[in-house]
Amino acid sequence: SQTIHQWPATLVQPVGSPLSLECTVEGTSNPNLYWYRQAAGRGLQLLFYSVGIGQISSEVPQNLSASRPQDRQFILSSKKLLLSDSGFYLCAWSVLDTIYFGEGSWLTVV
Amino acid sequence: KQEVTQIPAALSVPEGENLVLNCSFTDSAIYNLQWFRQDPGKGLTSLLLIQSSQREQTSGRLNASLDKSSGRSTLYIAASQPGDSATYLCAVGPNRDDKIIFGKGTRLHILP
Repeated sequence: SQTIHQWPATLVQPVGSPLSLECTVEGTSNPNLYWYRQAAGRGLQLLFYSVGIGQISSEVPQNLSASRPQDRQFILSSKKLLLSDSGFYLCAWSVLDTIYFGEGSWLTVV
Repeated sequence: KQEVTQIPAALSVPEGENLVLNCSFTDSAIYNLQWFRQDPGKGLTSLLLIQSSQREQTSGRLNASLDKSSGRSTLYIAASQPGDSATYLCAVGPNRDDKIIFGKGTRLHILP
């Protein structure tokens, strides 16, 4: 069966520090992969999506970046975090049909 | 550009009532529409998926309908219970550009 793993689950980072959130999918091949962010009191905002290895589409200009080094691995990064980067980050995958989500990562930038 | 709107933003109803949550989208060229539930501080739980060729799906006390031509979906919750309290999100897509776009959600509070 297909599963999705996302880590870390929570982290507290100082302003200006780097960030790396990782997501891996098991049990499927060539999925579409997504990173969403949910800021306090706001909806889910699509940050990046990928339809294949090395193919990244960015939805919102910001200090975040994404990479897909392997078919089932999706990484969200930042070189220098801002306070406004705080929020709940969700990785997701889909293959033509339903979209499945990871458990999410709570990021607090202090 | 696909835009997804959910109305109302928040809703409080007494236990036992039937209720309807609304979702509208601007681009009807969608592959499917999905309703999710999110409890505070938690991830998303899929409730119902409606393929673009379908008009409705049912699961227990939940019924979701889809009208692609008018760009609307509704989530009907029958005999509401306090445990139904959560934020309900609709997601549309993937569209031709492979994106899946969410509405901002409806915060539902069922009063005991």
